[in-house]
Amino acid sequence: KNQVEQSPQSLIILEGKNCTLQCNYTVSPFSNLRWYKQDTGRGPVSLTIMTFSENTKSNGRYTATLDADTKQSSLHITASQLSDSASYICVVSSGFQKLVFGTGTRLLVSP
Amino acid sequence: NAGVTQTPKFRILKIGQSMTLQCTQDMNHNYMYWYRQDPGMGLKLIYYSVGAGITDKGEVPNGYNVSRSTTEDFPLRLELAAPSQTSVYFCASSWEGGQYFGAGTRLSVL
Repeated sequence: KNQVEQSPQSLIILEGKNCTLQCNYTVSPFSNLRWYKQDTGRGPVSLTIMTFSENTKSNGRYTATLDADTKQSSLHITASQLSDSASYICVVSSGFQKLVFGTGTRLLVSP
Repeated sequence: NAGVTQTPKFRILKIGQSMTLQCTQDMNHNYMYWYRQDPGMGLKLIYYSVGAGITDKGEVPNGYNVSRSTTEDFPLRLELAAPSQTSVYFCASSWEGGQYFGAGTRLSVL
C-alpha cells in the first residue's frame, strides 16, 4: 500500500534553533517528492520539489534531502522564526495525478 | 494576481441540503483539483480536471460532482450533504512546477 509517514507528529522548538522533520514513504513507482508548508486555516504552499536524481534542494532557510534508495526524505529548518510555526506536509507522487499526502508534522516555534 | 480563490470560507449545512463550493484560478492552469482534509489525515483527492470539459474521479468521489466549463472555474457540488462530508475542502491548480492551493472551505454538516 502506498503510504507516506511523517515524524514527529508535533514539535516545539525555541526561536533561532534548527530542526529536522522526517518523511518515510513506500510509494511506488516514484516520480517526485514535495514538501509543503501549511499555515493554520490556509492552504498548503509548496517549499520544494525533488525528483529521483536530486539529493538536496534548498529554499531559503529550508533544505530538503532525498534518499531514494532508503525512501526517506528530511526537511531541515535553519535558524527558526516564529513565522515557521505551521504544519509541514510531505507528498510523494507516483505518476500523473497520483499524489500521496502525509499527515504532516505540526511545528511550533516558541519565543 | 489572486491565485486560487475559494468561496465560501465557512459553511454549515443541514443533512440532505445541497451546496456548491466555488473555485477559480487566474493563472491559466489546465490542471485543477479538489481535496478534502479531515482532522489528523492527509489530503484526499476528490476530483480533478485536466482542462475545460474534462474531469475525472479521484480517491474519494462519492457524494460529490464537478464540472469544468472554463479554464478558470472548477466548482464542487454536494447534492445530499451527510455528516461524513464535514471536512475542510481545498481547491488547487497546477503546472509542471507544482500545485497552488486555495485557502480552503470549512464545511460542517449537522
